[in-house]
Amino acid sequence: DTEVTQTPKHLVMGMTNKKSLKCEQHMGHRAMYWYKQKAKKPPELMFVYSYEKLSINESVPSRFSPECPNSSLLNLHLHALQPEDSALYLCASSSTSGSWYEQYFGPGTRLTVT
Amino acid sequence: AQKVTQAQTEISVVEKEDVTLDCVYETRDTTYYLFWYKQPPSGELVFLIRRNSFDEQNEISGRYSWNFQKSTSSFNFTITASQVVDSAVYFCALSTIQGAQKLVFGQGTRLTINP
Repeated sequence: DTEVTQTPKHLVMGMTNKKSLKCEQHMGHRAMYWYKQKAKKPPELMFVYSYEKLSINESVPSRFSPECPNSSLLNLHLHALQPEDSALYLCASSSTSGSWYEQYFGPGTRLTVT
Repeated sequence: AQKVTQAQTEISVVEKEDVTLDCVYETRDTTYYLFWYKQPPSGELVFLIRRNSFDEQNEISGRYSWNFQKSTSSFNFTITASQVVDSAVYFCALSTIQGAQKLVFGQGTRLTINP
């Protein structure tokens, strides 16, 4: 099973709202990722969690707050977003053993900030 | 620094034609990994293949084949007898053993297969 699930599929929020994106995997992977993808662009890495600890933060604004409650779950808390934050947010997971780090992606959450 | 170039922004072919997607990469590391992902309109990136820098064997999986040439720093992807379901954006990506969790993506190639 190589499935990564994400909820919600679509989200519309105002600039003063607080919302959360959720991601779950049951592949036993110990690395989980958040990406942001704008239209016609490749995904941009935002955060990496390794063994439930934040290992990479690609200088993401503090209005995005990641959380990894356990090895299967990854959240992205959103607060005071800007319209330019509208994008597809993708979650991924990968193994951390050996050298093979292919990442398995979820279907994404399409976020619109109004 | 690592870089991946997919020079073909968009390709459009008629069903059953063969099509090759080009990928050229740059890295100073001697150990690195190359990947291809498919992103259909639904949005999910689907992992297709990985290749490490020590394995230059070409690979075939059904209608898909990959040609890895270190001499030209290329990792090209060919779809034989294309089908409408192959329509998607295809990304080539690179990671190194030093930054194994950072995928460097190319800009993607939008492939349209017309019936």
